[in-house]
Amino acid sequence: DAMVIQNPRYQVTQFGKPVTLSCSQTLNHNVMYWYQQKSSQAPKLLFHYYDKDFNNEADTPDNFQSRRPNTSFCFLDIRSPGLGDAAMYLCATSRSSGTSTDTQYFGPGTRLTVL
Amino acid sequence: GDSVTQMEGPVTLSEEAFLTINCTYTATGYPSLFWYVQYPGEGLQLLLKATKADDKGSNKGFEATYRKETTSFHLEKGSVQVSDSAVYFCALSELDTGRRALTFGSGTRLQVQP
Repeated sequence: DAMVIQNPRYQVTQFGKPVTLSCSQTLNHNVMYWYQQKSSQAPKLLFHYYDKDFNNEADTPDNFQSRRPNTSFCFLDIRSPGLGDAAMYLCATSRSSGTSTDTQYFGPGTRLTVL
Repeated sequence: GDSVTQMEGPVTLSEEAFLTINCTYTATGYPSLFWYVQYPGEGLQLLLKATKADDKGSNKGFEATYRKETTSFHLEKGSVQVSDSAVYFCALSELDTGRRALTFGSGTRLQVQP
């Protein structure tokens, strides 16, 4: 089945220790998104890639970076995790033609714990 | 800017009860509307969607109708099951403007008791 896959499902890191979360997709969608979801809150968009073009949200901290080496994979790098970065990180994909964007499909998420 | 307002939860129902979760929106253009469901510890799953006024989205017994005149997209199900217990998010996307982000409501937790 075509899907969005996130690894690992659970990640534990130490305060200040860099961590990378990964996302892959078999949908061949050209747009990939990273959302942060804190407990009992709605997902908040951090950034997205439209093809190879990176689009950062204005309020995303510099501590968060992303890489998309090819269509199928996208990584979220947190350079120096703080306690406030503990959250569920959701990857999503969609197909966009530039003036219209199809439905977003989400992966299962990675729950990040910062000790 | 765009926004989505959902009724606050938790909503607690007995099995086989009728469900309504209210959702209203504000948008500058002509958004598409979505309901996503999130089961404990999991990511979001698309439940249903509607892309234009008067469209009805439906899936797994859930329905929602895009009402432009009342800017609403209320979620309904005639008979809920324990397995429907989850958090439900209403969301919009203004596809025509090219803005690709989803705007989510705050989510409504549904608890169905046997």
